[in-house]
Amino acid sequence: DAKTTQPNSMESNEEEPVHLPCNHSTISGTDYIHWYRQLPSQGPEYVIHGLTSNVNNRMASLAIAEDRKSSTLILHRATLRDAAVYYCILDSYLNYGQNFVFGPGTRLSVLP
Amino acid sequence: KAGVTQTPRYLIKTRGQQVTLSCSPISGHRSVSWYQQTPGQGLQFLFEYFSETQRNKGNFPGRFSGRQFSNSRSEMNVSTLELGDSALYLCASSIPRDSGNTIYFGEGSWLTVV
Repeated sequence: DAKTTQPNSMESNEEEPVHLPCNHSTISGTDYIHWYRQLPSQGPEYVIHGLTSNVNNRMASLAIAEDRKSSTLILHRATLRDAAVYYCILDSYLNYGQNFVFGPGTRLSVLP
Repeated sequence: KAGVTQTPRYLIKTRGQQVTLSCSPISGHRSVSWYQQTPGQGLQFLFEYFSETQRNKGNFPGRFSGRQFSNSRSEMNVSTLELGDSALYLCASSIPRDSGNTIYFGEGSWLTVV
């Protein structure tokens, strides 16, 4: 079962920031927080991941709450190409094998 | 660097047949995992291979099997196809425990069972 909770859908206007929330109240100390997105008819695409502190990359920023029970993916200026399903996933760095548990994710719509 | 390559991209099979899907991981990646995506069940983990050994297996019947070759390329096989096997099958590769087990997906193979 997925260990994260995300809103089913969100809407944003083009060129505005988007904050996608994720709750993971049962996170363990060894869990990384991963974000992936899936555009229509494509495989999921890696966005960002973090463990304890906030992370930035060219695609997005990840803000992690101090108690690590929630996190927020931040897209600084949404474009039409950012319309996708966004998945928040927990995975322990102790796992030797890949077994990501995907929930239903958040479907982001970007309005022109 | 080339991404994860899956073949074929699209295929149609008849109930009762079997199918083999292929996956070439990113160069240097030794872990390959497979996922099934359907509208009803979402993305579900099938199995994962590392150094030709299956390390993890999801909750799928024995009709679903896979293997990995010495060059890290992987195949998955579904025997006695059922209509419910129609799905997008995704392969992902990674360098295990590389700063958080980030995995990289291919475009997927669309299987339709008629």
